[in-house]
Amino acid sequence: DMKVTQMPRYLIKRMGENVLLECGQDMSHETMYWYRQDPGLGLQLIYISYDVDSNSEGDIPKGYRVSRKKREHFSLILDSAKTNQTSVYFCASSLQGASERLFFGHGTKLSVL
Amino acid sequence: AQSVTQPDARVTVSEGASLQLRCKYSYSGTPYLFWYVQYPRQGLQLLLKYYSGDPVVQGVNGFEAEFSKSNSSFHLRKASVHWSDSAVYFCALSRNNYAQGLTFGLGTRVSVFP
Repeated sequence: DMKVTQMPRYLIKRMGENVLLECGQDMSHETMYWYRQDPGLGLQLIYISYDVDSNSEGDIPKGYRVSRKKREHFSLILDSAKTNQTSVYFCASSLQGASERLFFGHGTKLSVL
Repeated sequence: AQSVTQPDARVTVSEGASLQLRCKYSYSGTPYLFWYVQYPRQGLQLLLKYYSGDPVVQGVNGFEAEFSKSNSSFHLRKASVHWSDSAVYFCALSRNNYAQGLTFGLGTRVSVFP
């Protein structure tokens, strides 16, 4: 069906709480990404996953970690969330590298109070 | 380091008029170049992609883009816009190395008025 699904769509957390953002894709894509989108900053790459248990830091990995135990699932974890992590988070996938088309989820709007 | 610049944060255009969105990139090699569109409360969707060949590349919904190596540009065009083209448009660059992720411009918000 060529979909990237993100859960939840909206999330409100208090500072210091742990946050789990989940992403799934049904295209058997090898490569998956987490981006965050902020006004004036555009989309910034947090992490890339090349396949199961093969993850690499992007441009802004500090304060985040990821988990990919199955090819179709890629999770973003915020341990002890901070207010400056309030953002819209997008998951994406591609067949291989970023020279291929990226498929994006609808995003998760996270507010850390 | 690579970068993408979209000099126009907002563009307003009348329905039926033509549209051009500018994109300049900085990259020492030959990049893959993309235009993505983001409709309200949705993720980004690919409009078109360029790597080599004819510098004018056709995309979906009547969009096309022209690559210029001499100007380091990849401008997006549409001959006649519809109100449904109101969205944010992102130019992006991928280094031609495996799985490095995309570098995005800040986007141009397009508003189409009747």
